[in-house]
Amino acid sequence: NAGVTQTPKFRVLKTGQSMTLLCAQDMNHEYMYWYRQDPGMGLRLIHYSVGEGTTAKGEVPDGYNVSRLKKQNFLLGLESAAPSQTSVYFCASSYSGVGTSGRITSYNEQFFGPGTRLTVL
Amino acid sequence: EDQVTQSPEALRLQEGESSSLNCSYTVSGLRGLFWYRQDPGKGPEFLFTLYSAGEEKEKERLKATLTKKESFLHITAPKPEDSATYLCAVQVTGSNYKLTFGKGTLLTVNP
Repeated sequence: NAGVTQTPKFRVLKTGQSMTLLCAQDMNHEYMYWYRQDPGMGLRLIHYSVGEGTTAKGEVPDGYNVSRLKKQNFLLGLESAAPSQTSVYFCASSYSGVGTSGRITSYNEQFFGPGTRLTVL
Repeated sequence: EDQVTQSPEALRLQEGESSSLNCSYTVSGLRGLFWYRQDPGKGPEFLFTLYSAGEEKEKERLKATLTKKESFLHITAPKPEDSATYLCAVQVTGSNYKLTFGKGTLLTVNP
């Protein structure tokens, strides 16, 4: 059981280049998330997905796109990288349980991957 | 706007010197408050979830408590291996998926 894995671990891009970050989880979690972590800013949500084939914008979505073609994978794309996207990117996943109201919800903790350190020159 | 504020930003302790980290929050409605530990170069590692005021949870030398306005992470007799950044996050009612994180407290425990 590997949990949440991310590839690559490190990457250096030039301004304008594109790349895709891959996140994979083997816990059969419905929900997946992409965050970025910057000094003094904390963790900020970029995009998230509540199930295969669905995605939604988080707090800082501009300049990023995502896809969730398979339940276990969540891809984060940068179409034209900018220096402002230099950051550490974390993927997370969580279980969606059924709350007391009977509706599917996500009370439970998010499990994080090891991160991808991206530098855009 | 939902806000999470952690204090202090950094805390340096001697081994065995107990202390507390604070997480204060302003949200429209709290569904859950989460504590994570993050080691340098690694992803956050889940510690606790607290759902209602008065709730407490313990794990080894750590104890988390929750009131209607804040949460404390008490560290009893810390060891150097407890050195890490401790992150607090809230999940708001009506927002099933989003966690709002504080900026963290960097804890250093000297031997």
